[in-house]
Amino acid sequence: TQLLEQSPQFLSIQEGENLTVYCNSSSVFSSLQWYRQEPGEGPVLLVTVVTGGEVKKLKRLTFQFGDARKDSSLHITAAQPGDTGLYLCAGASNNDMRFGAGTRLTVKP
Amino acid sequence: GAGVSQSPRYKVAKRGQDVALRCDPISGHVSLFWYQQALGQGPEFLTYFQNEAQLDKSGLPSDRFFAERPEGSVSTLKIQRTQQEDSAVYLCASSPQTSGSYNEQFFGPGTRLTVL
Repeated sequence: TQLLEQSPQFLSIQEGENLTVYCNSSSVFSSLQWYRQEPGEGPVLLVTVVTGGEVKKLKRLTFQFGDARKDSSLHITAAQPGDTGLYLCAGASNNDMRFGAGTRLTVKP
Repeated sequence: GAGVSQSPRYKVAKRGQDVALRCDPISGHVSLFWYQQALGQGPEFLTYFQNEAQLDKSGLPSDRFFAERPEGSVSTLKIQRTQQEDSAVYLCASSPQTSGSYNEQFFGPGTRLTVL
């Protein structure tokens, strides 16, 4: 069972559109990470957020950690086909890290 | 190579066979993690090593699963008497951090295990 719920599970959009995906939990995490995974590869870390309410930007990607450190969102502006992939959130506490099931994003040219 | 490597990349086993999956972490990384990723799912935690010590094995699904890291570097995940439900991608990750909440993990490409 997944401790973190990610939504939507699947998302297909046209190039140039904006999108937001969500990661929610009833648990409090000391940090939360977002990864992107492409077929046949392992997940690659995009960002780590640590402080409640924290916002981090990575080019066209904006990540936010909820004030209570239970949820997070990823917003992509002007999506491109290269953004296609599986986006995973992972909540960490102590030495444990638990992943959500991911949002599979497809950006059509 | 500077990244985490895993071998074999693909493994097909007949039900009941034993398999061994290898992980070569990034040199010098203290922490090593194994995950199981079923089709369409996120990675599920299996076990965690700090150097050669297995500090957490709470995610291992049964006593058929065994992991070791005898010299604090290379790790092997062994599955005995494989079952069809063991079919999944097995991911290994390493981290330079020893403990704490900030665990930046670097993943290998995974081993895709198919049990017939």
